[in-house]
Amino acid sequence: QSALTQPPSASGSPGQSVTISCTGTSSDVGGYNYVSWYQQHPGKAPKLMIYEVSKRPSGVPDRFSGSKSGNTASLTVSGLQAEDEADYYCSSFAGSNNFVLFGGGTKLTVL
Amino acid sequence: EVQLVESGGGLVQPGGSLRLSCAASGFPFSSYWMHWVRQAPGKGLVWVSRINSDGSSTSYADSVKGRFTISRDNAKNTQYLQMNSLRAEDTAVYYCAREGDFWSGYYSFDYWGQGTLVTVSS
Repeated sequence: QSALTQPPSASGSPGQSVTISCTGTSSDVGGYNYVSWYQQHPGKAPKLMIYEVSKRPSGVPDRFSGSKSGNTASLTVSGLQAEDEADYYCSSFAGSNNFVLFGGGTKLTVL
Repeated sequence: EVQLVESGGGLVQPGGSLRLSCAASGFPFSSYWMHWVRQAPGKGLVWVSRINSDGSSTSYADSVKGRFTISRDNAKNTQYLQMNSLRAEDTAVYYCAREGDFWSGYYSFDYWGQGTLVTVSS
């Protein structure tokens, strides 16, 4: 099964908002409310930022929010800060055979 | 504090084998599903395999099915990934990851290890 589709890059100035999309199919993103988002800084392990479409783990700033419409999920980062510059990956449960699919990643640049 | 520490990576020739380990601490290991996720150099994340809490059920990505075997020893708080018939395309950083629960999300990975690099090359 193919990876979920994300734009390769996104950017915004400090204080602005940016939204990253993640498009799948009815067999993954559209079929389950198990979309997650991860932040990865260079040379570091990924960090969970959003789970089950829109829930934030403890310690994740409320500047990060998630949503879903049909087969497309979105991550919005509000009030951009320099430390938000990183790669962001979406993932979705994709059934018992494929289990979890990741997106190709989006490099977020804070201008 | 939850910690996941991978080991066992290294350089191996095509067709060779390697066993990765992931030592867990800071949480009731036997209560959680565990996963392996890999990332080729400069590329994105790819899910590899998962094992349920008691080790009775496993799943694999098609790209590794029949070549990789995931297992766990709950007495040692450790999970493993036995990798056989390795190919150049298996070259990647391999991360051990804990799947979340009711409080931190099923089918998401709430804690990750630092990763161990596997290089398949002659």
